[in-house]
Amino acid sequence: SYELTQPPSVSVSPGQTARITCSGDALPKQYAYWYQQKPGQAPVLVMYKDTERPSGIPERFSGSSSGTTVTLTISGLQAEDEADYYCQSSDSNSYDVFGTGTKVTVL
Amino acid sequence: EVQLVQSGAEVKKPGESLKISCKGSGYSFTTYWIGWVRQMPGKGLEWMGIIYPDDSDTRYSPSFQGQVTISADKSINTAYLRWSGLKASDTAIYYCARRYDNSGYYYDYWGQGTLVTVSS
Repeated sequence: SYELTQPPSVSVSPGQTARITCSGDALPKQYAYWYQQKPGQAPVLVMYKDTERPSGIPERFSGSSSGTTVTLTISGLQAEDEADYYCQSSDSNSYDVFGTGTKVTVL
Repeated sequence: EVQLVQSGAEVKKPGESLKISCKGSGYSFTTYWIGWVRQMPGKGLEWMGIIYPDDSDTRYSPSFQGQVTISADKSINTAYLRWSGLKASDTAIYYCARRYDNSGYYYDYWGQGTLVTVSS
């Protein structure tokens, strides 16, 4: 089955830049999407179609794509950005899949 | 305002059956796929499957095929997730979410989640 691989954790000091990667064989052909999940809450979409930011999401969130890896970048990290982040994409059969998840810790 | 409101928390015994619900409002319920996502305690998000409420076309993740049944009643804008014989390993939070098509599918609105606890 199709898998999207993320690093388990990323730790960054406030004001610095956090980069979260997501790797998958189909990513050159399929868009990736990113969700933020804080404890006890439902996920929230923070990036769509690799690089597009939904309305209401701060400009410090950005996305990029290169080959089989997509990256969510959080610039000027704030305490409120501490959360779990998941990428999501689809396989060749249009089944959706979530990445393994990355815990972002603000030091 | 788009909303997905899920049914409340459930406590069940192994072997019991259960059906949880997800009611949509604020949009045309029949023209968007609804997805179900599992989150086991302390774990990540797992895609279970989707349903198109207009014609009940349903797709399952191979991991969940035969383990759950996804259905919908478009007359009341509600999607369902059903188990016929719960196991302790079904203990999790289950989310429904609206699947949006924009040259690729993603989940733009989520329900609040339903906690299912299976314990003897």
